[in-house]
Amino acid sequence: DAGVIQSPRHEVTEMGQEVTLRCKPISGHDYLFWYRQTMMRGLELLIYFNNNVPIDDSGMPEDRFSAKMPNASFSTLKIQPSEPRDSAVYFCASSLTGHEAFFGQGTRLTVV
Amino acid sequence: AQSVTQLGSHVSVSEGALVLLRCNYSSSVPPYLFWYVQYPNQGLQLLLKYTTGATLVKGINGFEAEFKKSETSFHLTKPSAHMSDAAEYFCALSTGANSKLTFGKGITLSVRP
Repeated sequence: DAGVIQSPRHEVTEMGQEVTLRCKPISGHDYLFWYRQTMMRGLELLIYFNNNVPIDDSGMPEDRFSAKMPNASFSTLKIQPSEPRDSAVYFCASSLTGHEAFFGQGTRLTVV
Repeated sequence: AQSVTQLGSHVSVSEGALVLLRCNYSSSVPPYLFWYVQYPNQGLQLLLKYTTGATLVKGINGFEAEFKKSETSFHLTKPSAHMSDAAEYFCALSTGANSKLTFGKGITLSVRP
């Protein structure tokens, strides 16, 4: 298996633009997580899905953030409009059990 | 609420020396505990896990950790550090009822030649 695949690896965008991050989980994994990593706040769970259904989105910082999982093999995290404080590394992870998570390589987002 | 504490932000050891990275947790129910490693510009890679059963767990790259309920600890050790062990290490916790992984702040391990 290729593992969790995220795209793009790097994204630079201007403030106010829409940003879409993409994730393909490991086949057969029923859980999908979106994390954000910053120096100040460390690793934060934004949202997670089970069987394509959002279970807990309490970590989503604002209404500017939204996540979807239209099928078992694809998820998106969208920021609209983006702000400089959204600059971070965003990780997608998937899990078979809901506990042991396997992470993608991350997307480094820079909002200027 | 559950939490994970990793004291300090940086540990430096000499090559060949013992590595000890500390992790303490708080949970009102039996925890599942994990150690992850992150190399620069990479995602997190699972080193080892404790769910139930044997309290001493072995992972990849010669690392091991021991679950001590009485001390609410899950410290990570390796008998002999290698230069390639230099990375950031995260302790994490989840519970049977809660699939959310709660991470500690991480600790950076440096290995001196």
